Amino acid sequence: AQKITQTQPGMFVQEKEAVTLDCTYDTSDQSYGLFWYKQPSSGEMIFLIYQGSYDEQNATEGRYSLNFQKARKSANLVISASQLGDSAMYFCAMREPQTGANNLFFGTGTRLTVIP
Amino acid sequence: ETGVTQTPRHLVMGMTNKKSLKCEQHLGHNAMYWYKQSAKKPLELMFVYNFKEQTENNSVPSRFSPECPNSSHLFLHLHTLQPEDSALYLCASSQERGSPYEQYFGPGTRLTVT
Repeated sequence: AQKITQTQPGMFVQEKEAVTLDCTYDTSDQSYGLFWYKQPSSGEMIFLIYQGSYDEQNATEGRYSLNFQKARKSANLVISASQLGDSAMYFCAMREPQTGANNLFFGTGTRLTVIP
Repeated sequence: ETGVTQTPRHLVMGMTNKKSLKCEQHLGHNAMYWYKQSAKKPLELMFVYNFKEQTENNSVPSRFSPECPNSSHLFLHLHTLQPEDSALYLCASSQERGSPYEQYFGPGTRLTVT
């Protein structure tokens, strides 16, 4: 079974608007970490934001916030005030210490296009 | 700049060739990784090294041979590859200890096997 599911292959957003990218995860562990990465066309994966399973507050980093709903096992990324440079692939990932402290499981990604 | 570099950025090789991919991290990390990224598939973890010791080999075919001479350098030696091995190969590094273990990636090597 997929550990990370991203159901939106592609999303469009108007410049300066907010957009939510969906991510659901599957784990039986109590302790885990959730990550979002951005991959521009250049290929490099850029770390955006992290949420620990025991963190009570939703993580925020500048224009990025993670809408963490533990009971629903979802970890959606919200990008506020979209910019043209936000156009890229976005990947949700999960780390499960029980299955390997260093292992990250990635979803298939969502391609975000910001429209001027 | 993420502090992780990869060379070459692009590589075209025949199925009988032998080539190597190189990764170097300047972040003082102790763990390094090789990932394969194929079109429309999740990133696949190939190998993990902690303090130069291989700790993960996710059923990768023997035509891929990793080498980690020190904590800053990681190689992926390639020989007798197949066309389905064409993909983007990404290197990453992270701290071995201490949450949250975020991994920092290099720009990748785009490999085409002809």
